[in-house]
Amino acid sequence: DVKVTQSSRYLVKRTGEKVFLECVQDMDHENMFWYRQDPGLGLRLIYFSYDVKMKEKGDIPEGYSVSREKKERFSLILESASTNQTSMYLCASSLPFRQGIAYEQYFGPGTRLTVT
Amino acid sequence: GENVEQHPSTLSVQEGDSAVIKCTYSDSASNYFPWYKQELGKGPQLIIDIRSNVGEKKDQRIAVTLNKTAKHFSLHITETQPEDSAVYFCAAKRGSGGSYIPTFGRGTSLIVHP
Repeated sequence: DVKVTQSSRYLVKRTGEKVFLECVQDMDHENMFWYRQDPGLGLRLIYFSYDVKMKEKGDIPEGYSVSREKKERFSLILESASTNQTSMYLCASSLPFRQGIAYEQYFGPGTRLTVT
Repeated sequence: GENVEQHPSTLSVQEGDSAVIKCTYSDSASNYFPWYKQELGKGPQLIIDIRSNVGEKKDQRIAVTLNKTAKHFSLHITETQPEDSAVYFCAAKRGSGGSYIPTFGRGTSLIVHP
């Protein structure tokens, strides 16, 4: 059974703290993604990575950074957490886009982050 | 870039009825259209997908249709059951290039009343 796991289901942090969200996949996927999910806004892409040490900005990268030192692990970092970063964070992985063929994404269960 | 519109945002049906969710996309180069179901407290999970070389695909009570000319695709659920209650997301490939970056619709909350 394929799996994407996220380090925490719920997290409460204070404004200004540095926050690390960890994601691990066991499918040997090249692509990994971080999304933010807010009511009425759907899934918005923060960053994605198509290989180890490679990353690209998504739609809303401001206030976030990422790290991918190993193929199976993709970390999202909030350098200085703010209240407007209170949200559900979803990690996903997929096979790479090859020869015009795209593949499904596998999502983790999400981390609900509250910044107070 | 790609823009995906999804309607309705909320859909309420009686058990046994059919449900239809519609999405439109803007990038004619999009060629992969997945649908995800997100149950409460879980991450989204693929339920069906369609590629641009086919017009329709079925899997038991679920079907997806694609109209490339009009740039819209729809999810059809027949004989709905309470366990179909969830948020459904459509997606389309974003722009062109070497990476498949899906653009998601805003989601449809489906409520099936017993």
